[in-house]
Amino acid sequence: EAGVAQSPRYKIIEKRQSVAFWCNPISGHATLYWYQQILGQGPKLLIQFQNNGVVDDSQLPKDRFSAERLKGVDSTLKIQPAKLEDSAVYLCASSLAGGRNEQFFGPGTRLTVL
Amino acid sequence: AQSVTQLDSQVPVFEEAPVELRCNYSSSVSVYLFWYVQYPNQGLQLLLKYLSGSTLVESINGFEAEFNKSQTSFHLRKPSVHISDTAEYFCAVSDRRLNAGGTSYGKLTFGQGTILTVHP
Repeated sequence: EAGVAQSPRYKIIEKRQSVAFWCNPISGHATLYWYQQILGQGPKLLIQFQNNGVVDDSQLPKDRFSAERLKGVDSTLKIQPAKLEDSAVYLCASSLAGGRNEQFFGPGTRLTVL
Repeated sequence: AQSVTQLDSQVPVFEEAPVELRCNYSSSVSVYLFWYVQYPNQGLQLLLKYLSGSTLVESINGFEAEFNKSQTSFHLRKPSVHISDTAEYFCAVSDRRLNAGGTSYGKLTFGQGTILTVHP
C-alpha cells in the first residue's frame, strides 16, 4: 500500500515570496491533516479536513496561509507571503477518521525562508 | 483545550539499560493517548496508543506505556533498549469528540518530543 506522498521535499525561498506544498493521502482515508513542525518542537496542527470539509483550522494563520482539499483527495497548502518564522517542516498526514484513529505521515517538506 | 508536556528533551542511555520517557497531559475532557516515533531519516509513525480498557498498552518492539488518570500521565518505558531504538519520541493526545454519525474526529496535540540516544 502506498504511503502519504508530499512534494516538494525541500524548498528555499525569500521572505515575502509565495510557496505551495502538495499532499496525496493514502487511498480511502477521509481525514487529512497539515502540521507545522518548527525545529525542536512537536508538530502543530494547522488544518484538519474530513473529506473536503474543514474540521479544524483554529491554528492556521489565515492572513497568509490557505489550504484546500480537491474532491476530498489531494490537498495543497499555500503560504503567501512567507515570513522568516515560517521556516519549518510541513507534514501531511491522513487517517480513516480523526480522534482515535492512527495517523499516517508523509516525509514532509522542509521550508527555509531567507 | 489540551496540552502535552514531555519532561525530558533528551535522554541518553546505554544499550540494554532500562529507559522511561515521561509525558504529562492536560485536558478538560477525556482523551485518547498516543506515542509516535520518528527514526532517523524516516517519517513519524505510531508506536502505541491507549483508547480504553487496560491502562497498560504495549508495542510490538517491547515498549509499554501506562495511562494514569489521577496523575494525567502516559509514561513510556522499555526494560532493555537497543541501538535501533535511537529516535525521537512524541507523546500526543486527542479528545473523544464524535460527529453526528458517531465518527471520531478529535484533533491531535503533540508534546515537544524526547530524543532517545542509545549508546553501545
